[in-house]
Amino acid sequence: AQSVAQPEDQVNVAEGNPLTVKCTYSVSGNPYLFWYVQYPNRGLQFLLKYITGDNLVKGSYGFEAEFNKSQTSFHLKKPSALVSDSALYFCAVRDNDFQKLVFGTGTRLLVSP
Amino acid sequence: KAGVTQTPRYLIKTRGQQVTLSCSPISGHRSVSWYQQTPGQGLQFLFEYFSETQRNKGNFPGRFSGRQFSNSRSEMNVSTLELGDSALYLCASSLAGTGVWEQFFGPGTRLTVL
Repeated sequence: AQSVAQPEDQVNVAEGNPLTVKCTYSVSGNPYLFWYVQYPNRGLQFLLKYITGDNLVKGSYGFEAEFNKSQTSFHLKKPSALVSDSALYFCAVRDNDFQKLVFGTGTRLLVSP
Repeated sequence: KAGVTQTPRYLIKTRGQQVTLSCSPISGHRSVSWYQQTPGQGLQFLFEYFSETQRNKGNFPGRFSGRQFSNSRSEMNVSTLELGDSALYLCASSLAGTGVWEQFFGPGTRLTVL
């Protein structure tokens, strides 16, 4: 079965510093990976996806993610964090047998001024 | 293009009642999925509809059901509500079909069961 793990419940970073939110995956076959962000009292917003091709995927709001097949990781990154980036971030993998996403437990990002 | 809309946004019910939640997908999207989000269980897949047919179902009891209409709008119903059904219910739509399509989520319906 497909699964993703987000090892950090919370990540703290100062505004202007680079940020990384970690995600590792376990899949059979090709991984289709996604990052979503959730702000308080809101649904999930799509940030980016990896299907195939370049290992560095660029997404919305200046975020990017690096796909690493040997380490089975798909970490979310941003060169310079903003206070407004503070939110809950979810990594997800598409279940190849079913049309559904399997989500990680989420990582809360807190960017301090 | 308008995003995914869900109604109502907030709902308070008592145990034993039933509830119906509605979701309107992005125009042109034919797949609608439902997820339950709780602090304890995280995001759990409920079911997915495509062209008015349920294609996939998660591991939830039969009290949870849904349907999709010819215009791709979807409803989910929960009967005989339990306290543990209190959650944020998220609807997501995608183009689906062949290929790998990202899902776009609505704002959710916050259900509180008293």
